[in-house]
Amino acid sequence: QKEVEQDPGPLSVPEGAIVSLNCTYSNSAFQYFMWYRQYSRKGPELLMYTYSSGNKEDGRFTAQVDKSSKYISLFIRDSQPSDSATYLCAMKDSSSASKIIFGSGTRLSIRP
Amino acid sequence: KAGVTQTPRYLIKTRGQQVTLSCSPISGHRSVSWYQQTPGQGLQFLFEYFSETQRNKGNFPGRFSGRQFSNSRSEMNVSTLELGDSALYLCASSLGREAFFGQGTRLTVV
Repeated sequence: QKEVEQDPGPLSVPEGAIVSLNCTYSNSAFQYFMWYRQYSRKGPELLMYTYSSGNKEDGRFTAQVDKSSKYISLFIRDSQPSDSATYLCAMKDSSSASKIIFGSGTRLSIRP
Repeated sequence: KAGVTQTPRYLIKTRGQQVTLSCSPISGHRSVSWYQQTPGQGLQFLFEYFSETQRNKGNFPGRFSGRQFSNSRSEMNVSTLELGDSALYLCASSLGREAFFGQGTRLTVV
């Protein structure tokens, strides 16, 4: 079993819809949770970084962490065609500054 | 502020050869990590360097090695290339807990 599970999609939604992306994890040592966006032929771009359980909002993006269920989510409101990309959840424990464990990524397509 | 710079962007090598990839981190960042991204395995951690010392290592064979220089620039070397080494190699630099990635080097082994 992988430490981080993420539905690979693809996920296709109409422009303006609310998108929900999710990951589950098995390692209770994970303390820091991230979402990256990766466009084709580009490196991952950090979207959201959270530490505690609860919600964190940044513009149209909301990251949600539920440590008791080992479940994290990213919500995108008012989705735009420019949001079409692969979204990677990522996490790490407190003992390592840079060893990040990634989900497999969800390919998202926003239809105009 | 300049981001993470990786060179070259694309590389084609033959099986058995060796390759060196370069990464210049964001100015002021002392931690550099390397990741391999493939369609089958996704993004996997290779190793991390901090102040010229390897601080952490992933589960890759010894053919994969790296180093970091006093100016925090890092190089990654893969010896005796195999077809399965074809991948996007990504470098990330960190100052605190957040990691910022470069555009990657696309390595194709033929």
